[in-house]
Amino acid sequence: LAKTTQPISMDSYEGQEVNITCSHNNIATNDYITWYQQFPSQGPRFIIQGYKTKVTNEVASLFIPADRKSSTLSLPRVSLSDTAVYYCLVGETGGSYIPTFGRGTSLIVHP
Amino acid sequence: GAVVSQHPSWVICKSGTSVKIECRSLDFQATTMFWYRQFPKQSLMLMATSNEGSKATYEQGVEKDKFLINHASLTLSTLTVTSAHPEDSSFYICSAPSGLAGVAEQFFGPGTRLTVL
Repeated sequence: LAKTTQPISMDSYEGQEVNITCSHNNIATNDYITWYQQFPSQGPRFIIQGYKTKVTNEVASLFIPADRKSSTLSLPRVSLSDTAVYYCLVGETGGSYIPTFGRGTSLIVHP
Repeated sequence: GAVVSQHPSWVICKSGTSVKIECRSLDFQATTMFWYRQFPKQSLMLMATSNEGSKATYEQGVEKDKFLINHASLTLSTLTVTSAHPEDSSFYICSAPSGLAGVAEQFFGPGTRLTVL
């Protein structure tokens, strides 16, 4: 099971772009990279998922280098409501996948 | 996207009582569901994997006789905290995989806040 490492915390200001990097040196060939957002007293919410290169949706972009040993979640123009904990998970599809959370990154957006 | 619900959203009980938490997949079937526990300012800790029609698989250190899991149907898994004590007070979250080929996305419930007095 690939272990992930993220910064414990990050600070930013409204309107800035925030990039959170996750290290997953032992990622396997069939593993996908998935990012979740969690607000206090709520369940995690899916943000974005990717396998390689770049993925973009309406809320974020995910950059994955060719070796796939790391990934970067990019949040454009953050607002106060983006203050949350962000988790990077790595795992393959299928019934054998057991989602395991690392410590996550606590992002605080300041006015 | 798919929706997972939990009931109740919060519960307060006396020490020694049992509490049941329900996790439902509302618009999809889930042969597997996962139960997590989260203490304040900590990450989600996997407690067990709930398997429809068979016994749950517990993580190391989780007492299976204390945390009873029943996955009686493809849309419902229940977690019963038996003889709850204050140290069991926590935020309990369930999840279910999307079931889509080539996707490793999990859908999470909103969580259940358990407070044991």
